[in-house]
Amino acid sequence: RKEVEQDPGPFNVPEGATVAFNCTYSNSASQSFFWYRQDCRKEPKLLMSVYSSGNEDGRFTAQLNRASQYISLLIRDSKLSDSATYLCVVIGDGSSNTGKLIFGQGTTLQVKP
Amino acid sequence: DGGITQSPKYLFRKEGQNVTLSCEQNLNHDAMYWYRQDPGQGLRLIYYSQIVNDFQKGDIAEGYSVSREKKESFPLTVTSAQKNPTAFYLCASSTGRLTGELFFGEGSRLTVL
Repeated sequence: RKEVEQDPGPFNVPEGATVAFNCTYSNSASQSFFWYRQDCRKEPKLLMSVYSSGNEDGRFTAQLNRASQYISLLIRDSKLSDSATYLCVVIGDGSSNTGKLIFGQGTTLQVKP
Repeated sequence: DGGITQSPKYLFRKEGQNVTLSCEQNLNHDAMYWYRQDPGQGLRLIYYSQIVNDFQKGDIAEGYSVSREKKESFPLTVTSAQKNPTAFYLCASSTGRLTGELFFGEGSRLTVL
């Protein structure tokens, strides 16, 4: 089982739609979680951190479910400019993974007019 | 403006040749990283360095070498021992090892002919 898993998609949605991605992680001791955005053939950039209580930044909401070991990203009112690949990142904790960023393979979102 | 500069952006090499990818940052960050990205896969860590004159192997260090003689610079050499070197290489930096915010360069796309 991969340490961090995402559905690669692509998710094809119309403008204005609400879309949600999930990311599962295998190490229950993981403490820190993040979503990065990567545009086609570009470098990844931090989108938002994921806090235990959940957090929101405009149209984006990130949530953590420790019991089921997944994090989610919800995008409301999708824009064409939201089209990108969204990478889930987990900081490993314990044994050799302490402090190590582990990237999921990414979920691709295509927002259509 | 502060940031990370990678060069070259595109590189072609023949089999059996070594090639060095440059990475320079002026963010005054202590930690620097090299990742490799292949289609459909998450970023995989090649090497990282937390301070000058020190670096550690990541998950896929075989066939690669690095140096960290200056805080600002972390070049990566792809040697002829790397079996499948064609990939997108990303350099990143952060303020420290346990932070989830990485600042990436624009990447170097290496193709072996």
